[in-house]
Amino acid sequence: DAMVIQNPRYQVTQFGKPVTLSCSQTLNHNVMYWYQQKSSQAPKLLFHYYDKDFNNEADTPDNFQSRRPNTSFCFLDIRSPGLGDAAMYLCATSRDRGVTDTQYFGPGTRLTVL
Amino acid sequence: AQKVTQAQTEISVVEKEDVTLDCVYETRDTTYYLFWYKQPPSGELVFLIRRNSFDEQNEISGRYSWNFQKSTSSFNFTITASQVVDSAVYFCALSEAEFQGAQKLVFGQGTRLTINP
Repeated sequence: DAMVIQNPRYQVTQFGKPVTLSCSQTLNHNVMYWYQQKSSQAPKLLFHYYDKDFNNEADTPDNFQSRRPNTSFCFLDIRSPGLGDAAMYLCATSRDRGVTDTQYFGPGTRLTVL
Repeated sequence: AQKVTQAQTEISVVEKEDVTLDCVYETRDTTYYLFWYKQPPSGELVFLIRRNSFDEQNEISGRYSWNFQKSTSSFNFTITASQVVDSAVYFCALSEAEFQGAQKLVFGQGTRLTINP
């Protein structure tokens, strides 16, 4: 089945130790998004790729970076994780980025920072 | 400013009861889309429905139904004959076109629904 896959599902890292989260999709969608979701909160958009074009949200800290080497894969890099970065990280895709396009989400990676 | 409000933080009902989750939104746009997503304990956000601002017809899908009323800016979600598997956090979201057509998905705070056996 076509889907959005995230690896790993659970990630534990140490304070300040760089970590990379992975997302892949078999939907051949043009747009890939990264959201941060803290406990009992709504998802918060960090950035998105429209094809190879990177679009950062104004309030996303510089500590968060992303790479999209090809259509299928997108990575979230946290350069120096702090305790406040512990959260669920959700990847989503959409065919295009118009108002009519539905975003489809992966299962998420739950990040713990020790 | 765009905003989605889900006033019910938590709802708990007994299995087989009907339950309605409320969603109220604010937008200045005339063209927008509304969504409902389900987030079970596993964490994945599961897409349930999309409704555009020009289509006020109610929709039914099995035990799920949605009532869109533009006059009250509401897009409520009803589960009939609830089941334990319906237990999840439900998010209502609003999609608008931003500058240069980039979509922005604005989520409500979510309603945690617990169905007790």
